[in-house]
Amino acid sequence: EAQVTQNPRYLITVTGKKLTVTCSQNMNHEYMSWYRQDPGLGLRQIYYSMNVEVTDKGDVPEGYKVSRKEKRNFPLILESPSPNQTSLYFCASTTSGGANIQYFGAGTRLSVL
Amino acid sequence: SQQGEEDPQALSIQEGENATMNCSYKTSINNLQWYRQNSGRGLVHLILIRSNEREKHSGRLRVTLDTSKKSSSLLITASRAADTASYFCAYNNAGNMLTFGGGTRLMVKP
Repeated sequence: EAQVTQNPRYLITVTGKKLTVTCSQNMNHEYMSWYRQDPGLGLRQIYYSMNVEVTDKGDVPEGYKVSRKEKRNFPLILESPSPNQTSLYFCASTTSGGANIQYFGAGTRLSVL
Repeated sequence: SQQGEEDPQALSIQEGENATMNCSYKTSINNLQWYRQNSGRGLVHLILIRSNEREKHSGRLRVTLDTSKKSSSLLITASRAADTASYFCAYNNAGNMLTFGGGTRLMVKP
């Protein structure tokens, strides 16, 4: 079954404590992205990756890092989380060949105290 | 990035009625897609319409695209309580990046 798996689903942490949200896809897609979703602001892209070792900033990259060492994994790293990073985060994996349909993970709800 | 606009922002209807949501965008596009999101969950792809198509059907869904007006609509016919969700349009103008609209929150009352 085609899947994008994010972990953890829920996370409560404190300001400044480094955390990583993992994302894995089993569809052999080259393109992956991270979004955050906030009330009234919709979905905003944080970072994306067009292939292994190729990553680029989206619309709201400040305070985030990503890596793409393998095609299937695309972790999101918050080196020093702050309360304004409290949000619902989604990883997505995208088909290629023109359609560009995105498959989303179930989401990670992060609270930074 | 959020450069598409959807309207209405919220829609409440009775079961059995039709629901229509509209999406406007600002650039030329390769295709336009509609996604559904149940509360707090990931978005799920519903339907894709290419820039050279005007109308597309999938089950109870009907999507139209008017590239001259840079707009699309999603019609859900004979709605059900289980259709309650947020619906997002997303368009692709180049490469792999999708731009999402702000979404329409649909509530279908039993």
